[in-house]
Amino acid sequence: QKEVEQDPGPLSVPEGAIVSLNCTYSNSAFQYFMWYRQYSRKGPELLMYTYSSGNKEDGRFTAQVDKSSKYISLFIRDSQPSDSATYLCAMNNNDMRFGAGTRLTVKP
Amino acid sequence: NAGVTQTPKFQVLKTGQSMTLQCAQDMNHEYMSWYRQDPGMGLRLIHYSVGAGITDQGEVPNGYNVSRSTTEDFPLRLLSAAPSQTSVYFCASSSGGARQPQHFGDGTRLSIL
Repeated sequence: QKEVEQDPGPLSVPEGAIVSLNCTYSNSAFQYFMWYRQYSRKGPELLMYTYSSGNKEDGRFTAQVDKSSKYISLFIRDSQPSDSATYLCAMNNNDMRFGAGTRLTVKP
Repeated sequence: NAGVTQTPKFQVLKTGQSMTLQCAQDMNHEYMSWYRQDPGMGLRLIHYSVGAGITDQGEVPNGYNVSRSTTEDFPLRLLSAAPSQTSVYFCASSSGGARQPQHFGDGTRLSIL
């Protein structure tokens, strides 16, 4: 069993939709949680970074962490075609572990 | 700002050949790392360095060597390329070690025939 599980999708939504991306994990020692966005042929870029359980909002993006359920989410409001990318969850205590990524397409 | 720069962007090798993937960062980050990205596997840590002269193994180090002679550069060497090393390789750096968000380069796409 992988330490971090992420549904690879692909996920296709119409422009303006609310997108929900999720990861589960098995290692209760993970303390730091991140979401990265990766465009095709590019490196991952940081979207959200959080340390504790709860919600963190940044513009159209909201990251949610539930440590008791070992479950993290990323919500994208008013999705745009420019949000089309692969989204990677990541978490660590001492070493970083990444999910496999969810491929999202937002159609105009 | 250049950030993290990786060269080459693409490379095709034959089994048994050796090569070095270059990585340079201009952010004065102490922590640098190498990952490989394979379909369905996510990013996996190969080697990392917490500063010049210090390197350590990650999750999948076999077949790879690294060195860190300067803060800026962190090359990854494939000693004898194997088809299983066909992958996309990313270099990353961080100002605060492994626990902080990583800044990634745009990757080197490597095919081993």
